[in-house]
Amino acid sequence: GEEVAQTPKHLVRGEGQKAKLYCAPIKGHSYVFWYQQVLKNEFKFLISFQNENVFDETGMPKERFSAKCLPNSPCSLEIQATKLEDSAVYFCASSQSRSRATNEKLFFGSGTQLSVL
Amino acid sequence: SQQGEEDPQALSIQEGENATMNCSYKTSINTLQWYRQNSGRGLVHLILIRSNEREKHSGRLRVTLDTSKKSSSLLITASRAADTASYFCATGNSNTGKLIFGQGTTLQVKP
Repeated sequence: GEEVAQTPKHLVRGEGQKAKLYCAPIKGHSYVFWYQQVLKNEFKFLISFQNENVFDETGMPKERFSAKCLPNSPCSLEIQATKLEDSAVYFCASSQSRSRATNEKLFFGSGTQLSVL
Repeated sequence: SQQGEEDPQALSIQEGENATMNCSYKTSINTLQWYRQNSGRGLVHLILIRSNEREKHSGRLRVTLDTSKKSSSLLITASRAADTASYFCATGNSNTGKLIFGQGTTLQVKP
């Protein structure tokens, strides 16, 4: 597709439940990024992929967060045992970069609003 | 930690005036980008400037980059009410696989 598609738009979970978010990057884009935005403030980097390989995962809270980008499937971000502090908007972005992931612009999806109650 | 610091945090101007936002960063970069976020939406790319460039224009936007001071500015000329949004700078470094975003400047343009 010509835009980054994120589903669902809204997700409500009770504390301790699992949350799974999906992202379909723009066709032909080789890089995928996940960011977390809390209270309309800064975008916290979580993880990036080059095709199906993890490129940079320095932002991932490894205990409860995991992510995948498998061939012919949407990418996913999964949070096990959600906590109140996980409430945020999670954005996915993709990039067409042929050299380094950070040398070209990112195309962002509209985000998934996760509310943990 | 996030390295982009933006100044001011909030800016309110009248339609037709110019708006200037600044961004400072801490480490070496390959690229610096500016993005806009309208309320409740994702980021939209505005302009990218590479570390060997000093100034770039795109329509009513002008971006400058001073690598010696590790800072950039975004100027929006002849602002419109539709420019009301939050603006974020983001830095890229070839040693990492991520863009690091600043905390953003919220711009309000009053008609």
